[in-house]
Amino acid sequence: DQQVKQNSPSLSVQEGRISILNCDYTNSMFDYFLWYKKYPAEGPTFLISISSIKDKNEDGRFTVFLNKSAKHLSLHIVPSQPGDSAVYFCAASALYTGNQFYFGTGTSLTVIP
Amino acid sequence: KAGVTQTPRYLIKTRGQQVTLSCSPISGHRSVSWYQQTPGQGLQFLFEYFSETQRNKGNFPGRFSGRQFSNSRSEMNVSTLELGDSALYLCASSLDNLHGYTFGSGTRLTVV
Repeated sequence: DQQVKQNSPSLSVQEGRISILNCDYTNSMFDYFLWYKKYPAEGPTFLISISSIKDKNEDGRFTVFLNKSAKHLSLHIVPSQPGDSAVYFCAASALYTGNQFYFGTGTSLTVIP
Repeated sequence: KAGVTQTPRYLIKTRGQQVTLSCSPISGHRSVSWYQQTPGQGLQFLFEYFSETQRNKGNFPGRFSGRQFSNSRSEMNVSTLELGDSALYLCASSLDNLHGYTFGSGTRLTVV
């Protein structure tokens, strides 16, 4: 039972444009969300996080939006750069799950120069 | 500072064998988690260890087990390997769950 879903396996965007990666979750108890970026042959690296008490968090070119009523979060990358080409995973956790995160299946982003 | 180190990077085993994977967390991180990554399934949580105790366990069969040593290093063992166990096994350490994980590069296990 996939509690965190990334319904777009892949996304292609022109360099300089906005990339929007989406993530949906089913468990209303989730209160902390993260995005990870993964290059081939490397482990995922932490990108940005958001707590359920916020609806937006920004870090440079990366912004995460959280819509709790829709159980939806999105990652915006502006402007997109070729080096952003990677697989992006969203992950969620709840207080009761402790340090266990539930991951989506990932979205492969390709930024075309 | 040194990152999360996983050994070996690649492993090929035969069905029915057992395997042990190793993970050294970032110095000072007492929580170590293990994930299995397969195409189409994303990262599936195996278990988490904290101060040598298993704190959380995912929905995997008993063939998958782990342990953590007093220096926070962790090992994961899979017995009676099946073809479906072929995957990338990722170890991650963390200080606390507010900062997420730092992942290692993973061990690519192939069962033939």
